[in-house]
Amino acid sequence: AQSVSQHNHHVILSEAASLELGCNYSYGGTVNLFWYVQYPGQHLQLLLKYFSGDPLVKGIKGFEAEFIKSKFSFNLRKPSVQWSDTAEYFCAVNARAGNNRKLIWGLGTSLAVNP
Amino acid sequence: DTAVSQTPKYLVTQMGNDKSIKCEQNLGHDTMYWYKQDSKKFLKIMFSYNNKELIINETVPNRFSPKSPDKAHLNLHINSLELGDSAVYFCASSHGDRGSYEQYFGPGTRLTVT
Repeated sequence: AQSVSQHNHHVILSEAASLELGCNYSYGGTVNLFWYVQYPGQHLQLLLKYFSGDPLVKGIKGFEAEFIKSKFSFNLRKPSVQWSDTAEYFCAVNARAGNNRKLIWGLGTSLAVNP
Repeated sequence: DTAVSQTPKYLVTQMGNDKSIKCEQNLGHDTMYWYKQDSKKFLKIMFSYNNKELIINETVPNRFSPKSPDKAHLNLHINSLELGDSAVYFCASSHGDRGSYEQYFGPGTRLTVT
């Protein structure tokens, strides 16, 4: 069965530290990949997405992610985090499920940035 | 203008009651979803409708019944509420049912069953 694995469940960083959140998926076909962010008490919103083309995609607020097909990975990075980046981060992969395609979600990574 | 709206935002009710949550989107999307997010932030898809047709129906108790009167609305009715139903329920919408497009989420409905 298709699955998405986010390796880090809880991450604590100080401001200005660099961030990398891991995301791996298990699906051999064509995929579309997403990172969503959920700020405390808010709804999910899209950070960035990959459909095709340049495997290094840039999103909002200085985030970027790299799609490495051979590693089935789509890791999220930010060179210097801010306190306002404290949030829950979800990786999601669009994959086939029976006759449909649907988003498969990771369990999320909770990021806390200390000022 | 709110793109995806849900009502109510908070819902506190007792076990055994029946309640409904409503969702509306004004983005012109043809696919809508219901998700359940538990206290550990785990996000689980429950249902998906495309052009009023049910296309995803995950393993959800049949006490949960979605209804889509038109493309812009997707409601969720829950019968005989149980303590384990306490969660935040998110509605979302997107273009198409292929999962290729960004999903836009509503603000969530925090359901507390006592």
